[in-house]
Order: sequence, then structure tokens, then C-alpha cells
Amino acid sequence: DTAVSQTPKYLVTQMGNDKSIKCEQNLGHDTMYWYKQDSKKFLKIMFSYNNKELIINETVPNRFSPKSPDKAHLNLHINSLELGDSAVYFCASSQGLTASSYFNTRLNEQFFGPGTRLTVL
Amino acid sequence: DQQVKQNSPSLSVQEGRISILNCDYTNSMFDYFLWYKKYPAEGPTFLISISSIKDKNEDGRFTVFLNKSAKHLSLHIVPSQPGDSAVYFCAASAILANFGNEKLTFGTGTRLTIIP
Repeated sequence: DTAVSQTPKYLVTQMGNDKSIKCEQNLGHDTMYWYKQDSKKFLKIMFSYNNKELIINETVPNRFSPKSPDKAHLNLHINSLELGDSAVYFCASSQGLTASSYFNTRLNEQFFGPGTRLTVL
Repeated sequence: DQQVKQNSPSLSVQEGRISILNCDYTNSMFDYFLWYKKYPAEGPTFLISISSIKDKNEDGRFTVFLNKSAKHLSLHIVPSQPGDSAVYFCAASAILANFGNEKLTFGTGTRLTIIP
């Protein structure tokens, strides 16, 4: 009964390959995110989708392409994998805010998946 | 350019005592702050949050204090328990400035170890 799930949990692949990581949330949230945690443990946002529309696209190489078939899913496809792509990738979701909900601080809580550890050899 | 900083990579506290984790930020547009807790091989889990209209928010053993003039927030855990041993991330968001774009900017984390 996992709220935010990711598959696979571990992914080991060769440089140059193309791979996908899937994310699903069963919380009924409108907004989903992808974060990358690098070797220095720095957790940084990559993308955000609201109701299947791209909202945030931080300076991420265009080898990374998120795809949201519906608001419960946000998958991450990576082309031509490089050594520097090795990291833990976390998916997250949140209900999103309205002006009236701003002062109810729990509504912007982001729920994270367990992470996918990607190792590029 | 790290906008959210946790200058203590690790902290050890005796069980039963108070744990104080600190976080500083540089972006004056941040108006919403959160603490997340992370165990190994798991995703971060939300702990407590505070918006800039408050200077304190309490939830059980956890209290977050916000000092806007100093651009500083802290998380107090009292009494500390062995199950509190984890990595704690501070995060911030500029909600009113970027409405509909609630991205979180994270610090690098503090590893808290509670000594029995």
C-alpha cells in the first residue's frame, strides 16, 4: 500500500545505454517531482509536473526526458547514459497549493518514493 | 550557489537529551521551510514545517524555530530517542513568489546519532 513507488530500486547499466525509471503515486496528488541525490548527498530538483504539465525544468541535460501519461505517473527516461548520471533518483508528489491553503503548511508536504540507485559503468 | 546550508554534517546526542539541528538560508524570497528525515535506502519523510508568518511550530517532540532576520531555522528534538538516528534535511521554498511552482531547495543534511 505504498504511497509513492518507484521501479526499479537498483539499476546498473553501461555508458551509452538508454534507461527508464518509473514512478507512481496513489495519493491523488496533482504534482509530481523528480530529484537527484548525487555522491555528495546533495538533493536537487530536476523536474516538476502538475496535472501532466511540465512546471519546473531545472538545468538538466536534454538526455533526461520526463513523461507523465497521467497525473498518477511520472516516468524518467535517460538517453545515452554517462558516468556522471550515477546517483540516487527520488520521485515525489504533493497536493500542490492554492492561495487559501497556503497557511495550512502541511498541504505542501512532498511525499518521496524510496529512490532508485542508478550506477553507470 | 547553495541557498540552503546545514553546516554540521553530523551530530551525536545522548538519549533523553535535546538535539538541535541548524539550517541557514540565503534567499530572502524563501517563505516556507520544512524538515525531512531520511533513513538509509529510503526516501526522505516529512517531519515538520513552518511558514514565514510564524516563528515557531511544534509537533510532539519536534519544534521548528524560524528567525527570519537571521535567515536561520532550527529543529529541536526533545527528548531524543534512538529511533531519531537518521539524516535530517532542511528544505525551503519560495511559495508566494513562485505560486504553482513549489520546488524545494534542500540542504546537504545532518546525520544525527542518538547514543543510548
